Amino acid sequence: DSGVTQTPKHLITATGQRVTLRCSPRSGDLSVYWYQQSLDQGLQFLIQYYNGEERAKGNILERFSAQQFPDLHSELNLSSLELGDSALYFCASSVAGTQSYNEQFFGPGTRLTVL
Amino acid sequence: GENVEQHPSTLSVQEGDSAVIKCTYSDSASNYFPWYKQELGKRPQLIIDIRSNVGEKKDQRIAVTLNKTAKHFSLHITETQPEDSAVYFCAASKGHSNYQLIWGAGTKLIIKP
Repeated sequence: DSGVTQTPKHLITATGQRVTLRCSPRSGDLSVYWYQQSLDQGLQFLIQYYNGEERAKGNILERFSAQQFPDLHSELNLSSLELGDSALYFCASSVAGTQSYNEQFFGPGTRLTVL
Repeated sequence: GENVEQHPSTLSVQEGDSAVIKCTYSDSASNYFPWYKQELGKRPQLIIDIRSNVGEKKDQRIAVTLNKTAKHFSLHITETQPEDSAVYFCAASKGHSNYQLIWGAGTKLIIKP
C-alpha cells in the first residue's frame, strides 16, 4: 500500500457524460500527478499540482480539468466523455514539486469504462 | 522536446537468465533516470533510479547503467524469477523544478519457467 488513495475504484458511464475522480495523496506529500493508461499502453502524464497550484501540464485534453484543494486532495474532472476515454487513471503523489530526484507513489487507480 | 525511446516492447527470457531493457533519451541535459515496475493489475512502483553523476547503480539483482555520451541507460535484471514478470517503464528528466519526467513506452517482461 503506497498511502495514496483513489476513489472510485471502478466507474462505468455513458458517452457525453461527466465524471469526477478523486485522489488523496500520502500524508506530507504536496505534489499530485494524474496519469492515463489505456489498455496495454504506457503511462500518459496529464497534469501535476503542487500545494494547490498547477505545476506542469502534459497531454491533457481540454475536456479534462483538475484541481488540488487546500487539504491537498485532488480531483480530475472528465467531461463530454468519449469511448476512447476508457482507461485506467492513476494518481501519484510526491513530497516535492520537482519531478526529478523525487519518487512518485502511485495510487491503485480508477478504472473508467465509457459505454 | 525531450523524447525517451524504450526497447524492446516485449522481452521473453528463461527463468534464471538475465534481462536487459534499454532506453535512449534525446536531451543531453537530462540528469535523472528512474525505472518503475508495474505488475499486472497493480500500480507502478519505483525500483531503482540513477543520477547523471554516476555510471552504474546496483540493488541486489537489479542494476542500471548510464552512458551519457551515447544518451542511453539500461536496466539489468540478473537471475530472473517469476515475480520479475511485469511491465517496466523508464523515464528521464532534467532536474529543474519546471521539467517533467518523460516516460518511455514500457517493456513487457515475461519470465518463462
